[in-house]
Amino acid sequence: AQSVSQHNHHVILSEAASLELGCNYSYGGTVNLFWYVQYPGQHLQLLLKYFSGDPLVKGIKGFEAEFIKSKFSFNLRKPSVQWSDTAEYFCAVNAGASGTYKYIFGTGTRLKVLA
Amino acid sequence: NAGVMQNPRHLVRRRGQEARLRCSPVKGHSHVYWYRQLPEEGLKFMVYLQKENIIDESGMPKERFSAEFPKEGPSILRIQQVVRGDSAAYFCASSSGSLNTEAFFGQGTRLTVV
Repeated sequence: AQSVSQHNHHVILSEAASLELGCNYSYGGTVNLFWYVQYPGQHLQLLLKYFSGDPLVKGIKGFEAEFIKSKFSFNLRKPSVQWSDTAEYFCAVNAGASGTYKYIFGTGTRLKVLA
Repeated sequence: NAGVMQNPRHLVRRRGQEARLRCSPVKGHSHVYWYRQLPEEGLKFMVYLQKENIIDESGMPKERFSAEFPKEGPSILRIQQVVRGDSAAYFCASSSGSLNTEAFFGQGTRLTVV
């Protein structure tokens, strides 16, 4: 069965600090990988996605993620965070051609950026 | 250009009543997913449906919970005889079901059982 682990549950950073949120998944086949963001009181929005090709994926708002197949990881990064990045971040996996296409989410990481 | 529409946004039910949560997917999407969100627990997969079919209900509690996605109309998540522990935010997502596509989420329904 697919599963997703997010190791950091709560992260507090000052503005302009660099961010890296860890995500590891468990699935032996081809996967699609996603990072979603949930701002307070809002629904989940897609930050970026990886299907194939270049393992370094760039998303919206300056976020990027790197797929490392050998480590089953898809860590999210941002060089310089802003106060407006305060939100909850979810990593998700969806099995590719061989799967049932359901999206499995990690437990989320709550990021608080101090102004 | 409507995205995923969920209603109601907020639902209050007394213990023992029934809760019906509705989800209209993005136009053209035939795959719907329901998730439950509790504080500190992330998004728990509940059920995955295509039109008129339940594809995967491995995350659904065995009792009191059911879901449907009829040929016409929205997907419905039904919770019978609600208990306080059912209080949570319930999110619906939809996708086209094509390979290599993301899921789009609705605003969620916050269910409070009093």
